[in-house]
Amino acid sequence: EAGVVQSPRYKIIEKKQPVAFWCNPISGHNTLYWYRQNLGQGPELLIRYENEEAVDDSQLPKDRFSAERLKGVDSTLKIQPAELGDSAVYLCASSQSFGEGEKLFFGSGTQLSVL
Amino acid sequence: GDSVTQMEGPVTLSEEAFLTINCTYTATGYPSLFWYVQYPGEGLQLLLKATKADDKGSNKGFEATYRKETTSFHLEKGSVQVSDSAVYFCAGLSGTGRRALTFGSGTRLQVQP
Repeated sequence: EAGVVQSPRYKIIEKKQPVAFWCNPISGHNTLYWYRQNLGQGPELLIRYENEEAVDDSQLPKDRFSAERLKGVDSTLKIQPAELGDSAVYLCASSQSFGEGEKLFFGSGTQLSVL
Repeated sequence: GDSVTQMEGPVTLSEEAFLTINCTYTATGYPSLFWYVQYPGEGLQLLLKATKADDKGSNKGFEATYRKETTSFHLEKGSVQVSDSAVYFCAGLSGTGRRALTFGSGTRLQVQP
């Protein structure tokens, strides 16, 4: 069974440029998450989708970040314009549903460097 | 808000040594607790979990017991191997409030042959 697939694996851009990350979750998983992991820190949730609906985006900086999950399958996270402080690893995860003890499956992440 | 505190690394051990990585969680109520592991070049993966007090999670020789009094979930393994070298993250999912998985900052384990 294929795991969570993310692309690209690495991205280097100059500040003020736009950037997009793509995620394909495990087939059949209704819940999709985007996390940001700063160097030396644990992941922090940016947004959670239940199917195509964003049900928790309270930590998403909406002035520059946007996300979509059309058709409730794969998802795209965009930053426009990027700032130096956005340098981090962006992780996508999925789970069959959202509940107590639910197991999350993570992708390998996209490492973003903003110069 | 919710928070997870785990011991800082790196932790360097010789093969077959005993491992303990401490983790405590602060939250309203009693959360589900997890240990995730990240091997070099790979994504995070669930190692073990416990959903209520006194539960013991175990997997691949690792164990952790949910201690209600201290909301602790310390990770232990009796005899580590070189292949256990990775970054270990403690995490909690509160049953109230925002209900987002909260991670600790991670502990890097290096096992030397």
